Amino acid sequence: GQNIDQPTEMTATEGAIVQINCTYQTSGFNGLFWYQQHAGEAPTFLSYNVLDGLEEKGRFSSFLSRSKGYSYLLLKELQMKDSASYLCATNTGFQKLVFGTGTRLLVSP
Amino acid sequence: DVKVTQSSRYLVKRTGEKVFLECVQDMDHENMFWYRQDPGLGLRLIYFSYDVKMKEKGDIPEGYSVSREKKERFSLILESASTNQTSMYLCASSSKTYEQYFGPGTRLTVT
Repeated sequence: GQNIDQPTEMTATEGAIVQINCTYQTSGFNGLFWYQQHAGEAPTFLSYNVLDGLEEKGRFSSFLSRSKGYSYLLLKELQMKDSASYLCATNTGFQKLVFGTGTRLLVSP
Repeated sequence: DVKVTQSSRYLVKRTGEKVFLECVQDMDHENMFWYRQDPGLGLRLIYFSYDVKMKEKGDIPEGYSVSREKKERFSLILESASTNQTSMYLCASSSKTYEQYFGPGTRLTVT
């Protein structure tokens, strides 16, 4: 079966740090994606983790633990433009992705 | 710059009509995908294609078919539209690097 869990909504303040968690149980696992989607727009790629550990890319970092079926996306120095939905997705093989329902992040001044 | 385009941003069709959604990518990608996105359900894969004239069923293929006659174009067909197919439809493409590039989406309403 396929099951991906992430919080529905989170709020944070400009300049703060926020961590968005994702737990997964999927048949077949080759890696985990994070995408950002602003309202009314297409999802855009943020990160792809294949191996355990933390990968940092500017203000965004993504962590993966394959043994725990767990990932998180860490956003530092939050800006208003970071208000968006963040989608966690597992690559179950041959680029076939299974998406979670997304976490809506609201950044306030 | 990477570009995936979809034929319409908004579409309104009647129940029973045949509907064509077109997707074109200009990146020479081998792989193309069709998803639908619904509130509370997230993105769900309908069909995908690894190459011209090849197609694979995704998680929710019922009521849909696809066509890929050229590498850059992937069409989603609703043979007989129904109200439960009202949704946002997103096309994506990728090469072997796994990152999928998404089009802007088509919001389809079936009345």
